[in-house]
Amino acid sequence: GNSVTQMEGPVTLSEEAFLTINCTYTATGYPSLFWYVQYPGEGLQLLLKATKADDKGSNKGFEATYRKETTSFHLEKGSVQVSDSAVYFCASRGGATNKLIFGTGTLLAVQP
Amino acid sequence: NAGVTQTPKFQVLKTGQSMTLQCAQDMNHEYMSWYRQDPGMGLRLIHYSVGAGITDQGEVPNGYNVSRSTTEDFPLRLLSAAPSQTSVYFCASSYSRTGGGETQYFGPGTRLLVL
Repeated sequence: GNSVTQMEGPVTLSEEAFLTINCTYTATGYPSLFWYVQYPGEGLQLLLKATKADDKGSNKGFEATYRKETTSFHLEKGSVQVSDSAVYFCASRGGATNKLIFGTGTLLAVQP
Repeated sequence: NAGVTQTPKFQVLKTGQSMTLQCAQDMNHEYMSWYRQDPGMGLRLIHYSVGAGITDQGEVPNGYNVSRSTTEDFPLRLLSAAPSQTSVYFCASSYSRTGGGETQYFGPGTRLLVL
């Protein structure tokens, strides 16, 4: 079945540092890929998504490109802020059952 | 629109008690699902539904029951609570049963503690 693997955290960065959170997937066919963000004490919100190979999703300065050749969907941001501190989840969706499969989440802590 | 709502926000149960976690959406979404979130394990799918009257099991269904009598509501029932069910539970919905690229919208979560 489909699965998602993302880098373990926590990731601790200083404000304005460059962020990369790695995510790779396994799937039959070509799933849609998502990054969700969970701020402290809240539910999950969609951050960005890509539905086919070579698509780039972007939102709030974050970007991720759907790479079929490396089965990856790494999340990047050029300059993080303290307000970006949250847990980030990579996810895939597709196949016959259309289930959304999550990675384990990566905690990002940004220090001033 | 209220989006996806969940009640209660927090609940304490004793082992063996039963309870129902409520989930409702007002977006006319066909697809609804329940997840549990545990430290280091991400979100795991418990049950899902592709429309009224249709439900199916996810990754971790044991100890949980669901039903979908209306499009709007998708309650999750714990028949006999166990400490292993201590977790944060999220309900989610999306528009159609077949749209793989569609966004799932999440509720605010229910924090459950089983003693």
